[in-house]
Amino acid sequence: EVQLLESGGGLVQPGGSLRLSCAASGFTFSNYAMSWVRQAPGKGLEWVSAISTSGGAAYYADSVKGRFTISRDNSKNSLYLQMSSLRAEDTAIYYCTKNTPAQDYWGQGTVVTVSS
Amino acid sequence: DIQMTQSPSSLSASVGDRVTITCRASQGISNYLAWYQQKPGKVPQLLIYAASTLQSGVPSRFSGSGSGTDFTLTISSLQPEDVATYYCQKYNSAPRTFGQGTKVEIK
Repeated sequence: EVQLLESGGGLVQPGGSLRLSCAASGFTFSNYAMSWVRQAPGKGLEWVSAISTSGGAAYYADSVKGRFTISRDNSKNSLYLQMSSLRAEDTAIYYCTKNTPAQDYWGQGTVVTVSS
Repeated sequence: DIQMTQSPSSLSASVGDRVTITCRASQGISNYLAWYQQKPGKVPQLLIYAASTLQSGVPSRFSGSGSGTDFTLTISSLQPEDVATYYCQKYNSAPRTFGQGTKVEIK
């Protein structure tokens, strides 16, 4: 059974940093590109970032480019999102997703709140 | 960047009705189009990929069509458990933009 378990969310002040993690199981992690998608309170889905199978290619939404860094460790079956210079508008549930290439599995999400 | 526009933004229909949601891409995306269903308070789930291929386990009353710039999600006979917000998404290249969503309610 495919499982994606996000962690690392929390309350952070504007300008602060946070690192999200996603532990994957139930599939060969290194064979699949992965993505992060977020959803602000009461709003729609926003694709944030994606990474290739090897980690050699990474892609970002304009809204986070230069502030967020996606990475993966295939030896640990883990996906990461390093977030810095956080803003109030980054407040959202962050979902880790598997790309097949459509996003066929989603984690339960981790909540990030940016507030002073 | 390619924009994805869904219509309508919301709809209300009776149980058993045929429901159609449209998604338009600002440029051609071949058939790299997915539809997701998000029930209230739940995680989004993949319904359809490659514009018309039903994800495993999805009821056959859901169907998708289209190619290029114009796509459609159809629910052939609306059921109470279909109350949700539906999103289209392009995935041919980054950014993997979502549509703004269509909220479906029961009349």
